[in-house]
Amino acid sequence: EPEVTQTPSHQVTQMGQEVILRCVPISNHLYFYWYRQILGQKVEFLVSFYNNEISEKSEIFDDQFSVERPDGSNFTLKIRSTKLEDSAMYFCASSETGEYQPQHFGDGTRLSIL
Amino acid sequence: QKEVEQNSGPLSVPEGAIASLNCTYSDRVSQSFFWYRQYSGKSPELIMSIYSNGDKEDGRFTAQLNKASQYVSLLIRDSQPSDSATYLCAVGFSGFQKLVFGTGTRLLVSP
Repeated sequence: EPEVTQTPSHQVTQMGQEVILRCVPISNHLYFYWYRQILGQKVEFLVSFYNNEISEKSEIFDDQFSVERPDGSNFTLKIRSTKLEDSAMYFCASSETGEYQPQHFGDGTRLSIL
Repeated sequence: QKEVEQNSGPLSVPEGAIASLNCTYSDRVSQSFFWYRQYSGKSPELIMSIYSNGDKEDGRFTAQLNKASQYVSLLIRDSQPSDSATYLCAVGFSGFQKLVFGTGTRLLVSP
C-alpha cells in the first residue's frame, strides 16, 4: 500500500539553527499538509499546500516557517531559526484531493531543539 | 474557534468487549469526520471516515454520526489487547482543508 515517507526520523538541532524536514507524499495525491504534535498534546495543523502554493496556514505557521515542493516528489518544511518550543513530532500528510478527503500521515520526524 | 472534544480516558475494557469512543464538535456545518488510531510514539493511522448521518461499518469498527447533535462515535467490537492505543477524532470543517483533532481517548484492553 502506498505510504507517506518522512526523513529524518529524528533531528537534533541547536536553538537558532535552520532545519529542513522532508516528506515524500503518496504519488497520486495532490494536497499536502504539515502537522505537529508537542509531547502529550493534540495534533495541530500547520499548513496545507496545493498546486505549488500554500492554500491554508495556521497561526503557528509564522515567518520562521516555510514549505516547498522542490521537485515532483518531495515536500519540505523549513524552520529558519529554531526555538526550544519548536520541539515536537512533525507529521506530513497527503490526500488525493482537498476538502473532505482522508489525509494519510507519514511516520513523523521527532525534532529536538537543544 | 473550531473545537473537537473527546474524553481523554483511559477507557478500560476487557478483551472481547465492545469499546465505545465519543467525540463532539463545535461547528454545525462540518462535513467530514475521521477516526485515527495512534500508538504511543507513532503517527496517526486512519481507521474510518464518515460523511453522512448514520452508521458505517468496517470489520470490527463502526463509526456513527449524528450531525444534529454534533456527535460522532466509534465502536470497536470484540476488542483485542492490540487495540490498546489513543483514538483521535478529527473533523474537517466546511471551507477549510485542515483537520482539527481532539485530544484523543486512550483505550486500554485487558487480556
